[in-house]
Amino acid sequence: NSKVIQTPRYLVKGQGQKAKMRCIPEKGHPVVFWYQQNKNNEFKFLINFQNQEVLQQIDMTEKRFSAECPSNSPCSLEIQSSEAGDSALYLCASRGQGKYFGPGTRLTVL
Amino acid sequence: GDQVEQSPSALSLHEGTGSALRCNFTTTMRAVQWFRKNSRGSLINLFYLASGTKENGRLKSAFDSKERYSTLHIRDAQLEDSGTYFCAAEPSGSFNKLTFGAGTRLAVCP
Repeated sequence: NSKVIQTPRYLVKGQGQKAKMRCIPEKGHPVVFWYQQNKNNEFKFLINFQNQEVLQQIDMTEKRFSAECPSNSPCSLEIQSSEAGDSALYLCASRGQGKYFGPGTRLTVL
Repeated sequence: GDQVEQSPSALSLHEGTGSALRCNFTTTMRAVQWFRKNSRGSLINLFYLASGTKENGRLKSAFDSKERYSTLHIRDAQLEDSGTYFCAAEPSGSFNKLTFGAGTRLAVCP
């Protein structure tokens, strides 16, 4: 179904550590999104960008989160200083006809 | 803000029967997607609709932007249909955001 690739599948970090996850969108999809899904299945939009440019992001991502999508390299989402509340499933999606989601990176912050 | 109300939150069906899931939107949406979360936690695309209805096998979906709702009908349910189903909608004027419903946990029983 989806050809979006996310790595790693699981990530465990201590509080204050950096956490970095990567995404390879489907070929030909220029718009990439990051969502955070908590254990209650609630989805939170974090950031999206098109061709390396940030389109929209929420306040949280402006402060501790950074994302980039360099040409010819995987996209990435990095949390500068992880907090316990950041523990969640991070989903990357790229846009074709509708959005196609990767399997996610499950981050656990101890 | 834009909200998506998905119902029911849980549904139990006997094999061979059918039912419908529904999402109501508090604002006008330009498109809706339906997903199923598989056993590995990945979101599988079922439908993307900007209007009207689509059918794929035993699944059929409808979207009415003016009346602010979408439905997913399952007929002749099979055991492998069990899982969590999500609708997600794109607000009018935005190609980028996607607001998810809370999900419907479907259990198909022999």
